[in-house]
Amino acid sequence: GQQLNQSPQSMFIQEGEDVSMNCTSSSIFNTWLWYKQDPGEGPVLLIALYKAGELTSNGRLTAQFGITRKDSFLNISASIPSDVGIYFCAGGMDSSYKLIFGSGTRLLVRP
Amino acid sequence: GVTQSPTHLIKTRGQQVTLRCSSQSGHNTVSWYQQALGQGPQFIFQYYREEENGRGNFPPRFSGLQFPNDSSELNVNALELDDSALYLCASSDIGSGTHYEQYFGPGTRLTVT
Repeated sequence: GQQLNQSPQSMFIQEGEDVSMNCTSSSIFNTWLWYKQDPGEGPVLLIALYKAGELTSNGRLTAQFGITRKDSFLNISASIPSDVGIYFCAGGMDSSYKLIFGSGTRLLVRP
Repeated sequence: GVTQSPTHLIKTRGQQVTLRCSSQSGHNTVSWYQQALGQGPQFIFQYYREEENGRGNFPPRFSGLQFPNDSSELNVNALELDDSALYLCASSDIGSGTHYEQYFGPGTRLTVT
């Protein structure tokens, strides 16, 4: 079945640093999304990407839809303590409206 | 937003359970996901206009219902220990052009003993 490989698995950074994480797949997706999940909560949608090559920003977050449609990355600039959480990439295909999720990147920010 | 009930549930192996979800107003689609500890959510199935609109790799003892009033249910029969997980429902709007943008509830934590 389809799989999304998300890396790194975890990151421990200093407040103020920039962060980059990515997601790759052997399958082509038509949509890439990035979610953040806090402990005991459901995932919260951060950014949705619909076109190959598209670069979209949401505040300090920037995400790109890879040209091959098999990858995406998420950057967080000037990290702050509330950025702590687990970030998931998710891909969508036309053949179904289901989302396929990566295994997540756990982000810890040291004040 | 999307709400789910109950927040936590403990059941015994072999029992049946019903989880409930209330979709975001105006959304016509509800999807259910299972999230095991330390993993990403796994798609169980989706309902659109009260009919199943796609199913993941889950056995038939996982079933669902969607009602006209934005509410939905996930039913699991013959519970197994491996069914212990966080169950998430997400709503979206097919036909809006943003149907992949699914908005999640807080989840129901199910523990099977």
